[in-house]
Parts: sequence; C-alpha cells; structure tokens
Amino acid sequence: NAGVTQTPKFRVLKTGQSMTLLCAQDMNHEYMYWYRQDPGMGLRLIHYSVGEGTTAKGEVPDGYNVSRLKKQNFLLGLESAAPSQTSVYFCASTGLAGGTQYFGPGTRLTVL
Amino acid sequence: RKEVEQDPGPFNVPEGATVAFNCTYSNSASQSFFWYRQDCRKEPKLLMSVYSSGNEDGRFTAQLNRASQYISLLIRDSKLSDSATYLCVVKYNAGGTSYGKLTFGQGTILTVHP
Repeated sequence: NAGVTQTPKFRVLKTGQSMTLLCAQDMNHEYMYWYRQDPGMGLRLIHYSVGEGTTAKGEVPDGYNVSRLKKQNFLLGLESAAPSQTSVYFCASTGLAGGTQYFGPGTRLTVL
Repeated sequence: RKEVEQDPGPFNVPEGATVAFNCTYSNSASQSFFWYRQDCRKEPKLLMSVYSSGNEDGRFTAQLNRASQYISLLIRDSKLSDSATYLCVVKYNAGGTSYGKLTFGQGTILTVHP
C-alpha cells in the first residue's frame, strides 16, 4: 500500500514550457486535491476533485488545469509555465468529505 | 486578514521544555480543526484533531475556543524529534456541498535542542 505518490519529485522548467504532474492513490479515495506551498503562505488549494470525471477550482487555479479520468489518478497541468509557479506542489486525497487528508511526498518545481 | 493565522516562530526550546502554539481563524462558520505536522522538505501529516472539549494525545494537548476563534497546541516534555513545522488547519463546509475546504495556516517552526 503506497498511499499517495507523486511524479516527478523534482523538475526544472523554462518559462513557457509545459508539463504534467501526476498524483496516484491506492486507497480508493473519492476526493483528491492539488496544493502549492510557498514560504510564508501556507498550503493553498489549486484544484480539487470530488470523484472520477469531476474537477473544480480552488483558491489559486489560474495557470493550471487538472483532469481526473481515473479514480486513482489526478493530473495537474501547466500549459505555459511562469516563474511565479516555482513552488512545492502537494497532492492529497481523502475518502470522506473533510476527512483526514493524506499527502503525497511533493514535487519541487522551479521555473526559470 | 488571513483566514488562519499563526505565529511563524521560530520557537527554539531545550529538551524537556513545554511549548505552546496559538492559532486564530476568521471564519466563524468553521466546523473542524486540526493540527498537522510537517518535517523539513516532507509532506504534512495529521498530528491530531481539535475538539471543543479539548483533547490530549500523549504529550500533546489541543484546545479550541469557538467564541474567541482560537486554537492552541501544547507540547509537554519536548523531544528532539518534535522539531518540525506545526500547521493549524481549519475546515469549512460551504452550504449545500459535501466538500470540506481545508485552510492552512502558514505554520509555526519548532526547534528542540539538546
């Protein structure tokens, strides 16, 4: 039981490049979330999903898109990366609305 | 004003000390409260939930004051392994939805030294 996994762990992009971050969970959780964490800002919700095939915007969705084609996977896409998207990205999941969220190990992204 | 505010610290305490962290939240309709722990360059992990009557888990005691919109975490007999960032987290269920939005404070850094 791996819990929540994220790939890649690290990535460096140039401004304007695109990439997709993958989150996978093997706990059969309905709810999945993408956060970013910046110094002094705490974790901020980017997008979330309450089930397969559904997604919704969080607090800071601009510049990101998501997809939840399979229940166990939640993808975060950056179509045209900007230096302001340099951050640590965490994925989380929970089986119940508002239940304990289990986090993945994070992806450290640098945009030059 | 931030929805959840914490003193960022850092708190530097010797082993065996008692240390307390405070947190305030702005949304009076908030429904659930938690403390998460985050080790350096790691993901956050749930430390404990916070209940209105106060609750204890070993050396950790959490308190909630809904009237003052204030949450606290007390750590007794600090250990070196307690060194981490402690995140105050508040959950709010928007009306008519099943989704519980978690709002995180920016975290309080604790360093326990020998």
